[in-house]
Amino acid sequence: DAGITQSPRHKVTETGTPVTLRCHQTENHRYMYWYRQDPGHGLRLIHYSYGVKDTDKGEVSDGYSVSRSKTEDFLLTLESATSSQTSVYFCAIRSTATYEQYFGPGTRLTVT
Amino acid sequence: DAKTTQPNSMESNEEEPVHLPCNHSTISGTDYIHWYRQLPSQGPEYVIHGLTSNVNNRMASLAIAEDRKSSTLILHRATLRDAAVYYCILRDTNSGYALNFGKGTSLLVTP
Repeated sequence: DAGITQSPRHKVTETGTPVTLRCHQTENHRYMYWYRQDPGHGLRLIHYSYGVKDTDKGEVSDGYSVSRSKTEDFLLTLESATSSQTSVYFCAIRSTATYEQYFGPGTRLTVT
Repeated sequence: DAKTTQPNSMESNEEEPVHLPCNHSTISGTDYIHWYRQLPSQGPEYVIHGLTSNVNNRMASLAIAEDRKSSTLILHRATLRDAAVYYCILRDTNSGYALNFGKGTSLLVTP
């Protein structure tokens, strides 16, 4: 299995509070991605990173920010969580050699 | 971005072959066809990908139509563990080659 972990795995928070999700990899891959998945839907891209300090927006980036200060960590921050951000969040990594993406186990976030 | 169309659900008996279809009529010449699957309560996992020729690996086979407007993922002998949502995806050359997931096909495998 690809070395990719997410923390926390589950979180319940209140509307208006900040939340940070962490994705950690041990593969030294350049590309990292954050997706969200809502019931009955496939995954949608939030943000991605193509290197340290290099990030860009995806399809559903409003209300989210990211940071990547080290190759191995990609952080997703909800500055002020809303109920519409209740979702399962998946991190993925990709090597430039193969284009295959490897996904983490997901973080289930509930905003009450 | 080119889109894909898949049936919402399919059913198969255990130990029988399964053919999962995907239509991608607006595919461009440089679009690779990827298949991922997602088992319950897990993240998606890579299955197979191809450009023009049919492809085989330990998990499955990918048959690509000559005009590339459709493809079929073939599971040669379905097991209960193959019950999952299968996504047919055209690799996005923008957004760092992120994956454009649709709703996929939910495969039910019965004993």
